[in-house]
Amino acid sequence: GAVVSQHPSWVICKSGTSVKIECRSLDFQATTMFWYRQFPKQSLMLMATSNEGSKATYEQGVEKDKFLINHASLTLSTLTVTSAHPEDSSFYICSASVGWTGGFWGNQPQHFGDGTRLSIL
Amino acid sequence: AQSVAQPEDQVNVAEGNPLTVKCTYSVSGNPYLFWYVQYPNRGLQFLLKYITGDNLVKGSYGFEAEFNKSQTSFHLKKPSALVSDSALYFCAVRDMPGGKLIFGQGTELSVKP
Repeated sequence: GAVVSQHPSWVICKSGTSVKIECRSLDFQATTMFWYRQFPKQSLMLMATSNEGSKATYEQGVEKDKFLINHASLTLSTLTVTSAHPEDSSFYICSASVGWTGGFWGNQPQHFGDGTRLSIL
Repeated sequence: AQSVAQPEDQVNVAEGNPLTVKCTYSVSGNPYLFWYVQYPNRGLQFLLKYITGDNLVKGSYGFEAEFNKSQTSFHLKKPSALVSDSALYFCAVRDMPGGKLIFGQGTELSVKP
């Protein structure tokens, strides 16, 4: 159980292109989804938190107009990298969590997708 | 503010030997602690968590972790390492109330035959 599917797994595109990455929870409803960015051999940097039906909360320093996040349903969140440039090349990972369960947040682990390797030429 | 530290960038262990990957944390309030493993070009896989209860937590693939409140540590352990355990390991603490995870910098575990 608790499978998160992320698509595509690999994208290579030209500078200036917009790229959409999908994150789906396959067997549970994800009230909250998180988007991370990871550089080689480094930790995950949280970009934003999205709750179904509301605007995403972006971390400090993350451009909301550059990284558009939509969480339109309990099983799907999308990250769109608009007008991508080579410096946006990275490994992007989403995770999903059930969120509040009977009024208690803390005991639910986040479940991660397999990531998307984005390469901008 | 919540924080997590993994003091070792890399841990090298011989196959069959016990392994320990260290993690210390700093939280205000009760800690919600997690361990994840990442294989190359993959997302993170959940190994185990500590929320409350027994200090020794058992998780997936034979891993366990010991919660030590006085030392603010949550070290990951396995009695007998496998070559297939070689991967990047992350310790994380949940930042309440928003729920986001704060990750340590990661420890690369290398198990040699």
